Amino acid sequence: DAGVIQSPRHEVTEMGQEVTLRCKPISGHDYLFWYRQTMMRGLELLIYFNNNVPIDDSGMPEDRFSAKMPNASFSTLKIQPSEPRDSAVYFCASSPQGRSYGYTFGSGTRLTVV
Amino acid sequence: AQTVTQSQPEMSVQEAETVTLSCTYDTSENNYYLFWYKQPPSRQMILVIRQEAYKQQNATENRFSVNFQKAAKSFSLKISDSQLGDTAMYFCAFMPLSGGSNYKLTFGKGTLLTVNP
Repeated sequence: DAGVIQSPRHEVTEMGQEVTLRCKPISGHDYLFWYRQTMMRGLELLIYFNNNVPIDDSGMPEDRFSAKMPNASFSTLKIQPSEPRDSAVYFCASSPQGRSYGYTFGSGTRLTVV
Repeated sequence: AQTVTQSQPEMSVQEAETVTLSCTYDTSENNYYLFWYKQPPSRQMILVIRQEAYKQQNATENRFSVNFQKAAKSFSLKISDSQLGDTAMYFCAFMPLSGGSNYKLTFGKGTLLTVNP
């Protein structure tokens, strides 16, 4: 099992540009989560999906952020337009139906908006 | 809403010694899970150990063990025989099994542990 795969590992973009982060969950995992990690706020849950359907997006900071999961093996997190305060590490995680065993995280995307 | 507090931003320990990281949480739920995750410099989030709230027995995984005090809402992590590879940020996390936040993982701010040779 290759684990949760995120791309790119690093992204540097200019303010105002569109940024798309990608995630491939572990096959067979029904749940997918997007987290953001910053020094100030720690790890924050942005949104999560169950069977490709968004369940809770209350953590999405503003309308500039959107997430999709078109199928069970792919999800995207898009920021449009990006701002310097969006600079953070973005993690994707997945979990099987029995989520009490915790989540498996990807290696994260470090986003820098200049 | 649940909160997780890690009161020690940084700690250090000598190689081969034992260290304990503290975590407290606030919840009105009775059924939940608690976790410790490790984040080394590689940035990968790695599950270290989990505890089911309904189990009184403390979880153990090799050199890692927890002291779970449900009444006090305390969940500390003990690392025995510390190794250089244990140097990492450690996060305590809480997962309720009911209510509007069920199965959502909430993290503390983390404790940076440095193991010195």
